[in-house]
Amino acid sequence: NAGVTQTPKFRVLKTGQSMTLLCAQDMNHEYMYWYRQDPGMGLRLIHYSVGEGTTAKGEVPDGYNVSRLKKQNFLLGLESAAPSQTSVYFCASSNLPGQSSYNEQFFGPGTRLTVL
Amino acid sequence: GEDVEQSLFLSVREGDSSVINCTYTDSSSTYLYWYKQEPGAGLQLLTYIFSNMDMKQDQRLTVLLNKKDKHLSLRIADTQTGDSAIYFCAVFSNTGNQFYFGTGTSLTVIP
Repeated sequence: NAGVTQTPKFRVLKTGQSMTLLCAQDMNHEYMYWYRQDPGMGLRLIHYSVGEGTTAKGEVPDGYNVSRLKKQNFLLGLESAAPSQTSVYFCASSNLPGQSSYNEQFFGPGTRLTVL
Repeated sequence: GEDVEQSLFLSVREGDSSVINCTYTDSSSTYLYWYKQEPGAGLQLLTYIFSNMDMKQDQRLTVLLNKKDKHLSLRIADTQTGDSAIYFCAVFSNTGNQFYFGTGTSLTVIP
């Protein structure tokens, strides 16, 4: 099992350019998440999905769009990149959220994005 | 949303114990987690505790939970240089139906 994979690992964009980050998981998890990690701010949830064809907004969704056309893939799009979106982006997946049972989130290795 | 707070930095000498603290605001959290992030990598689950427990021990790791004060701590006994990493406290909020992470505590172990 590869677990959670992310592509690309690194990317540099100019302001106004667009790009898509791809997340894939092979654990048949229902839930998938996109986070951004910034120094001193921890992880903040951008968008998440509770199943194929569904998406929902997290804490910091502005400037991002997502799609979950297939259960194993969760795409994060930046339509018009801004310097404030310079960050490390992490994708995660889990079977169920930790509401009624312990459930682990599995994280990808991250994508380091710089917007100039 | 949920507020999860941690101090940003901690330095300890090799062989000493490390204690990383976390406070949270949502009392409905059922499970509370500690994740470890090594340089250049994603987060990995280190341990977790169910909200009806006060303490959980797992080899060198001890998790203490004070529900009244909404305080969670992670103690690492006999800290090694390989323990140097960022440690994140995380809670699942039943009201927000999502995970909330703290800012992360960067642990440096001095040989």
